Amino acid sequence: SAVISQKPSRDICQRGTSLTIQCQVDSQVTMMFWYRQQPGQSLTLIATANQGSEATYESGFVIDKFPISRPNLTFSTLTVSNMSPEDSSIYLCSVEDTDPRWGGTTDTQYFGPGTRLTVL
Amino acid sequence: AQTVTQSQPEMSVQEAETVTLSCTYDTSESDYYLFWYKQPPSRQMILVIRQEAYKQQNATENRFSVNFQKAAKSFSLKISDSQLGDAAMYFCASLTQGGSEKLVFGKGTKLTVNP
Repeated sequence: SAVISQKPSRDICQRGTSLTIQCQVDSQVTMMFWYRQQPGQSLTLIATANQGSEATYESGFVIDKFPISRPNLTFSTLTVSNMSPEDSSIYLCSVEDTDPRWGGTTDTQYFGPGTRLTVL
Repeated sequence: AQTVTQSQPEMSVQEAETVTLSCTYDTSESDYYLFWYKQPPSRQMILVIRQEAYKQQNATENRFSVNFQKAAKSFSLKISDSQLGDAAMYFCASLTQGGSEKLVFGKGTKLTVNP
C-alpha cells in the first residue's frame, strides 16, 4: 500500500489564524481525501480532492473555511482558515491505492498519520 | 444514505482470548465494501480487514476474521489470540462502489486487552 506522510504532526495555534496541513504520498494516486476527527469522535469526511479538478466538499464544510489544493498526483494541502477552538481536531488525509495490474483504484483507503490541531 | 452502527462503545478481553466486535450497516446499494480500521493511541488509522459485498466467503487476515451476514447487514470482527498490541479503537466502515467513494464510519469500539 501507499506510504503517506503528513506535516505538521501537531500544532497549537491562536484563534483567528490559519494552518496549512500537507499530505505527501510515495506513489501517484487519483483520489485523495481529507477527514476530521473531533475529540472522542469518529471520522467525518471534509472533502475529496482529485488532481485537475476542484475539491468536492461534504455537507457542512465550505471552501472558504477549508481550502484544498491538489497540484499533482502525490501531494495535497488542507488549510484550516480563521480558526476557532471548535476546529481543534485531528485532521487526516487518505488515499485510494492504485492497483498496478489495471491502473484503477482498489476502493480501499489508506490513511496518513494525522495532524493534531489545538486552537487556543 | 449509508449508515454504520457500532453498538459496543467499549469491550475488554484477556490476553490470548478471543473477542468479537459488532457492526451493522445500512445501504440501498448492491455493490459495496466493508472495512475494519484500528486506531491505536498514536492516532494512525490502520486497515485491519476488508470485505467485498459480492463475496460470500468471510475475509481473514491472520488472527483477524469477519462474520459477514449480508441479509442481516451485519459485519462483525473476531480477534483470536488477543495481544496487548491489539488494544485500540476499532472503527467499522462502509464504502459504496461506483458512487462518491465516500467512506462512512461507525462511532468506534474501544478495545482493552488485559494481561
